[in-house]
Amino acid sequence: SQTIHQWPATLVQPVGSPLSLECTVEGTSNPNLYWYRQAAGRGLQLLFYSVGIGQISSEVPQNLSASRPQDRQFILSSKKLLLSDSGFYLCAWSVRTGWTGKQFFGPGTRLTVL
Amino acid sequence: GENVEQHPSTLSVQEGDSAVIKCTYSDSASNYFPWYKQELGKRPQLIIDIRSNVGEKKDQRIAVTLNKTAKHFSLHITETQPEDSAVYFCAASDGNNRLAFGKGNQVVVIP
Repeated sequence: SQTIHQWPATLVQPVGSPLSLECTVEGTSNPNLYWYRQAAGRGLQLLFYSVGIGQISSEVPQNLSASRPQDRQFILSSKKLLLSDSGFYLCAWSVRTGWTGKQFFGPGTRLTVL
Repeated sequence: GENVEQHPSTLSVQEGDSAVIKCTYSDSASNYFPWYKQELGKRPQLIIDIRSNVGEKKDQRIAVTLNKTAKHFSLHITETQPEDSAVYFCAASDGNNRLAFGKGNQVVVIP
């Protein structure tokens, strides 16, 4: 069966510091991968998605970036965090070949920027 | 792009009663409609989905109905229980590898 991991689970960072969040998927090959952000009490905002290694589509221009160095690894980064970057960051995966639409979420990283 | 709206934003029901959440979508090309449940502090979990070639789908106490003409779909929860309290998100996709999510509905089941 497929499993999706995210780390760290929680993170407290000062404004202006860098960020690196990691997501890995097990039990599947060639997945689509997604990064979402959820502000407190709000909906799911799609930040980036990737259909393959090195292929990144950005949905919202901001001070975040994403990379996919390996097939089942997706990384979210920032060079300088803003207060508004606080939130719950969720990675998700879906089948790419014969895409069904079903997306499955990881456990999330709760980021607090102070 | 696709725009999905959910109503009402908050719904309170007595335990044992039914709850209905409705979503509308804008893109008539959308053909896949999932529902996610998110408990406080946890990840969204896929609970039921429907494709455009089906009008209704049921799984125990939950069901989803789709009206393609009116471009809306609804989640029905019967015999609600306290563990049904959560935020529910609907979404829609036209097959472009992405889902467009609604803003979520808070469902509160009152014991």
